[in-house]
Amino acid sequence: AQKVTQAQTEISVVEKEDVTLDCVYETRDTTYYLFWYKQPPSGELVFLIRRNSFDEQNEISGRYSWNFQKSTSSFNFTITASQVVDSAVYFCALRGGSSNTGKLIFGQGTTLQVKP
Amino acid sequence: ETGVTQSPTHLIKTRGQQVTLRCSSQSGHNTVSWYQQALGQGPQFIFQYYREEENGRGNFPPRFSGLQFPNYSSELNVNALELDDSALYLCASRVGNSPLHFGNGTRLTVT
Repeated sequence: AQKVTQAQTEISVVEKEDVTLDCVYETRDTTYYLFWYKQPPSGELVFLIRRNSFDEQNEISGRYSWNFQKSTSSFNFTITASQVVDSAVYFCALRGGSSNTGKLIFGQGTTLQVKP
Repeated sequence: ETGVTQSPTHLIKTRGQQVTLRCSSQSGHNTVSWYQQALGQGPQFIFQYYREEENGRGNFPPRFSGLQFPNYSSELNVNALELDDSALYLCASRVGNSPLHFGNGTRLTVT
């Protein structure tokens, strides 16, 4: 079975604080992809990043960084110096390599509120 | 480049009715997926269409059906609506192994 767990339901920080969103996944596939999406109040899911299971290199994009650790089945997302515009629901998702449908398994999401 | 567009934005239906939701995929994208997102939950995969054929389905009953047209646009049809069908319905498209790109969704309310 494949599963994604985002244990943090809601996080509230003050602007300029750093914040880390946790994601733990389960899969029996040896090849898989992990994703992060952002969902602002408008409803659209905005793609942020994709990593494949063979690439454990951490990635940094501006204020965003991702830490992928296969040993702990985690793919955590850190926002540095948070801004009010970062307020949204963030979803971690998994796509198994054995799936030819491209089906994404989403976590429950973490609501991030950044206060001015 | 035009993104994924969905219509209508909002819809209110009565239990037992039928509904059709529409989606225009992003330019060049030949694969379309539909997801249901209940309030406070993550999206759940309904099905995927590739070259006008359904090639994957999640745990949804047959009253959820779809179509994909030659121009890669798509429809989601739901028959015999139930109260639990109230949700945000998201359409997403991709080409090849690219990540899914989502539309703004259609919010369906069943009363």
